[in-house]
Amino acid sequence: GAGVSQSPSNKVTEKGKDVELRCDPISGHTALYWYRQSLGQGLEFLIYFQGNSAPDKSGLPSDRFSAERTGGSVSTLTIQRTQQEDSAVYLCASSPFSGEGETQYFGPGTRLLVL
Amino acid sequence: DAKTTQPPSMDCAEGRAANLPCNHSTISGNEYVYWYRQIHSQGPQYIIHGLKNNETNEMASLIITEDRKSSTLILPHATLRDTAVYYCIVRVAYNDYKLSFGAGTTVTVRA
Repeated sequence: GAGVSQSPSNKVTEKGKDVELRCDPISGHTALYWYRQSLGQGLEFLIYFQGNSAPDKSGLPSDRFSAERTGGSVSTLTIQRTQQEDSAVYLCASSPFSGEGETQYFGPGTRLLVL
Repeated sequence: DAKTTQPPSMDCAEGRAANLPCNHSTISGNEYVYWYRQIHSQGPQYIIHGLKNNETNEMASLIITEDRKSSTLILPHATLRDTAVYYCIVRVAYNDYKLSFGAGTTVTVRA
């Protein structure tokens, strides 16, 4: 079946502009996660959505970052007033549930470059 | 504060089995062993996971020692497309959803 999809695959923007990154999780997956990965670095957790529960936003690096998940499916990560240090690959993952044995399946990522 | 130790790199001949070791000597009873890989410029790909029994799927086999302090991921017939960084992580599956990868093992499959 279809995996996690993300758009755009690449985004180049100017410092100070806002960007929106989209994630379409695997159909039926109730949990959705955003991570980012800077060049040569590991995964950095950003935010987690599970069903109708309040999201875990503990990983968002600043108040310029926000995310929504509409209808328990598609999610949008918004970065306002982008800075050069925001340049990274933004990864979305989904899982069927958050419980024993759940596995996160990743999308291909959005490569963001802030000039 | 790494919970797992993996060799930094290894080479494998195409068509041969690739055996990737991982040490997790401080693993606790409710932690699973997960393997992911990341091919260059792609998102991480789930491979397999297990608790204490050996596991096999269409991609790989996972052998966990009886004391659970180490494990081996086996790619039975490596292909050039298996060249990637392979990450071994241990995690309590429930409520432990913030994945974190260490340096992993860079596997290069050579023709």
